[in-house]
Amino acid sequence: GAVVSQHPSWVICKSGTSVKIECRSLDFQATTMFWYRQFPKQSLMLMATSNEGSKATYEQGVEKDKFLINHASLTLSTLTVTSAHPEDSSFYICSASSGTSRSYNEQFFGPGTRLTVL
Amino acid sequence: AQSVTQLGSHVSVSEGALVLLRCNYSSSVPPYLFWYVQYPNQGLQLLLKYTSAATLVKGINGFEAEFKKSETSFHLTKPSAHMSDAAEYFCAVKTSYDKVIFGPGTSLSVIP
Repeated sequence: GAVVSQHPSWVICKSGTSVKIECRSLDFQATTMFWYRQFPKQSLMLMATSNEGSKATYEQGVEKDKFLINHASLTLSTLTVTSAHPEDSSFYICSASSGTSRSYNEQFFGPGTRLTVL
Repeated sequence: AQSVTQLGSHVSVSEGALVLLRCNYSSSVPPYLFWYVQYPNQGLQLLLKYTSAATLVKGINGFEAEFKKSETSFHLTKPSAHMSDAAEYFCAVKTSYDKVIFGPGTSLSVIP
């Protein structure tokens, strides 16, 4: 089956620093990748959608200058949290879709990255 | 716009009892619906999906869900709960732009 990995699985950083999270599709080409954020005991909230080779589309209320998304290849997307602050501490999950079907493109989810900003 | 609601943020059942987790959706187009399970500090695992084929969908770990258009529901059931079923469950709907919108989640506890 399709596998999506994330690296790192957890990261602790100081306030004001930037953190990069990688999302890789290991055995398929991901034309579209999605980034979600999940606060404790809450649901997943879509942050942005990225298509390979083009700019990401951010959901309303998500700061694009704060959360930089790059989808430079069909197997890799990165999320960079710039100038991180404690309120950015969260569980970040990516998903990837191969987009091979016209009507239904299943998303495959990564294991998530736990970010803690001190 | 598509959306999902899950009745009951927390459900508690006895081991061996029926599990019923409720999900209602709102969609202006024929929906694609999903149930995911999440264990603590882990990503999501797909339990089952409805993609306009059979209305009764069987998934992994003995779970199944029935799509009822008249009730706009997609409730998840399992005949006999196991301790390992304790987790967070999310119902989700795929939008016309391939985005997946998640419900608020239901935390399932299984009492021995």
